[in-house]
Amino acid sequence: ETGVTQTPRHLVMGMTNKKSLKCEQHLGHNAMYWYKQSAKKPLELMFVYNFKEQTENNSVPSRFSPECPNSSHLFLHLHTLQPEDSALYLCATGLSYLAGGRSYNEQFFGPGTRLTVL
Amino acid sequence: SQKIEQNSEALNIQEGKTATLTCNYTNYSPAYLQWYRQDPGRGPVFLLLIRENEKEKRKERLKVTFDTTLKQSLFHITASQPADSATYLCALVARYMTTDSWGKLQFGAGTQVVVTP
Repeated sequence: ETGVTQTPRHLVMGMTNKKSLKCEQHLGHNAMYWYKQSAKKPLELMFVYNFKEQTENNSVPSRFSPECPNSSHLFLHLHTLQPEDSALYLCATGLSYLAGGRSYNEQFFGPGTRLTVL
Repeated sequence: SQKIEQNSEALNIQEGKTATLTCNYTNYSPAYLQWYRQDPGRGPVFLLLIRENEKEKRKERLKVTFDTTLKQSLFHITASQPADSATYLCALVARYMTTDSWGKLQFGAGTQVVVTP
C-alpha cells in the first residue's frame, strides 16, 4: 500500500448524474494531485493542491470540480460528464525535498477510480 | 511542442535477459527525470530519480542512464523476472518548474514489459 486510498474503485454513471471521487492520504505530504489516465495516453495532470490551496488547473472543463477540505483529503466532484471522460482517475501526493539547492518531488499514487460514463 | 516519447510496442523478453526501455524527449530542459512502474488496475509506483548532472543511477537490478545531449534516458532491468512484467513510465520535470516545491511532472505514455519464463 502506498498510503493513498481512493474510493470508489469503480464507478459507472450516466451523463446527467452527479458523483464524487474521494482521495485520502496518510503520508503527511503537502501536495495532492488529480490525474486522468486514458488508454495508451500519458497521464494528464488535472489539478494540483499545495497546502490545501489550488495551484494548478490544467484547462480542465468545469464539469470537473476539485475540493481539498484539509491536508488529508481531496475530492473530485463530477457532473454532466461525457462518454469521453471515461478513464482511470488517479490521485497522488507529492513529497518535496531539497538537495544541492534544488527542489525535487516524488509522487505517490493511489490505485485509481475506473470511471465509465454511459 | 514538448514531447516525451516511449516505445508504444510491448517489449517481450525472456526471463534472465536484460530489458532496455527508452524515453526520448524534445523541447525540454529537464532538471530531473523519474521512472515509475504501473501494474494493471493500480497507480504508478516511483522507482528511480536521476538528476540532470547524473549520468547513471542504480537500484538493485535497475539501472537508469540520462544523456541530456541525446535527450534520452534508458531504463534497464537486468536478470529480468516474470514479476517485472508491468508498464514502465518515464516522467520529467522541466528545469524552470523546480522553483516551486510541488513539482509538475510530465509523463510519457509508458512501455509494457512482458517477461516470459
